Amino acid sequence: GNSVTQMEGPVTLSEEAFLTINCTYTATGYPSLFWYVQYPGEGLQLLLKATKADDKGSNKGFEATYRKETTSFHLEKGSVQVSDSAVYFCALSRSSGGSYIPTFGRGTSLIVHP
Amino acid sequence: GAGVSQSPRYKVAKRGQDVALRCDPISGHVSLFWYQQALGQGPEFLTYFQNEAQLDKSGLPSDRFFAERPEGSVSTLKIQRTQQEDSAVYLCASSADRGKGNTIYFGEGSWLTVV
Repeated sequence: GNSVTQMEGPVTLSEEAFLTINCTYTATGYPSLFWYVQYPGEGLQLLLKATKADDKGSNKGFEATYRKETTSFHLEKGSVQVSDSAVYFCALSRSSGGSYIPTFGRGTSLIVHP
Repeated sequence: GAGVSQSPRYKVAKRGQDVALRCDPISGHVSLFWYQQALGQGPEFLTYFQNEAQLDKSGLPSDRFFAERPEGSVSTLKIQRTQQEDSAVYLCASSADRGKGNTIYFGEGSWLTVV
């Protein structure tokens, strides 16, 4: 079936450190891939997405590249801030009767210290 | 409205009680999703509507769970005879279309605690 696997958290970093959160996927066909973020006390919101192989999604300094060869979509940021502390969810879209339904990973908590 | 609105935000139910959770999607959004999120886990798919049609209910965990969207806008998720394992956050999301790269917009969730 279709699924995503994320690295377990929490990931704890100092401000300005480099961030990588690993995500690999299993899917039939070529799904779209997403990263969603959930800040404390808020709902999930889209961070970035990529709809085909070799696409790079980017937003707010975060980037992820859709790698078909390694079935991966790792999230990276060059210099994290305290305000990036949140839970990050990798997701893929699965086909269902002509529509597409997101399937989420377990989430990775990021804690950034000043 | 400006975003997806869910009510109630918090609900404490006694075991065996029925509950109803409401979702107001973004105006004009044709796709509506319900997810269940247990503590420390990712959202698990429950059911999907396109307008008023329930096209996928493969994630509903038992026949105690029922969802409807009779006029293609507001949706209600009903849980009958609640059990402790139903305690979770119930997330509603909507999307303007049903395409492969569609962005879905989440509400803040309804936190259900069954005691």
